[in-house]
Amino acid sequence: QAVLTQPSSLSASPGTSASLTCTLRSGFDVGTYRIYWYQQKPGSPPQYLLRYKSDSDKHQGSGVPSRFFGSKDASANAGILVISGLQSEDEADYYCMIWHNSASVFGTGTKVTVL
Amino acid sequence: EVQLVESGGGLVQPGGSLRLSCAVSGFTFSTYSMNWVRQAPGKGLEWVSYVSTSSSTIYYADSVKGRFTISRDNAKKSLYLQMNSLRAEDTAVYYCARTDAFDMWGQGTMVTVSS
Repeated sequence: QAVLTQPSSLSASPGTSASLTCTLRSGFDVGTYRIYWYQQKPGSPPQYLLRYKSDSDKHQGSGVPSRFFGSKDASANAGILVISGLQSEDEADYYCMIWHNSASVFGTGTKVTVL
Repeated sequence: EVQLVESGGGLVQPGGSLRLSCAVSGFTFSTYSMNWVRQAPGKGLEWVSYVSTSSSTIYYADSVKGRFTISRDNAKKSLYLQMNSLRAEDTAVYYCARTDAFDMWGQGTMVTVSS
């Protein structure tokens, strides 16, 4: 089982909100981690979106619109990337990441399709 | 403008070696930690290695430990990855990425390990 599990795909309509989950494997407490999010479009390198640990420990990437924001669901042991006001240009792969024991771990990735 | 430019990729036989380079500009290289991250064709992201600003701290993914060596030359504003004993499963696009947040990425260089 992967340390960070993401749904393989998600489809949503323009103008709606999409919530992408990053579920941590049992034994990994989401409350203790900074979760990083990246967007990758075909043929391009990933781009850093944001970091979220708590409302007092978060960072927005340079030039990243505020309609991208992070949160957590402690009951689900998951980090969440919310994209509000979905646009066609948001169609991409999205990855979460944490640092654990001096190693970086990426999530399995979610392909977002804007219908 | 921040730029990271990887080079050194190519086709190599199993068991062979390659040295990747990442030349940076647009920021003070010596004050940022650096990483290598790879992505196999059609697959997700996999972190490979981390080096601190002064090279005093280095980490590797278990999958490359003992075979790959990360290094940097702050005077030349360059990051390196020496890859030995290459395997087919090392085939990937290799990206250099800045800081533990991976906040800036290069375009990547393709490494193909095949006979």
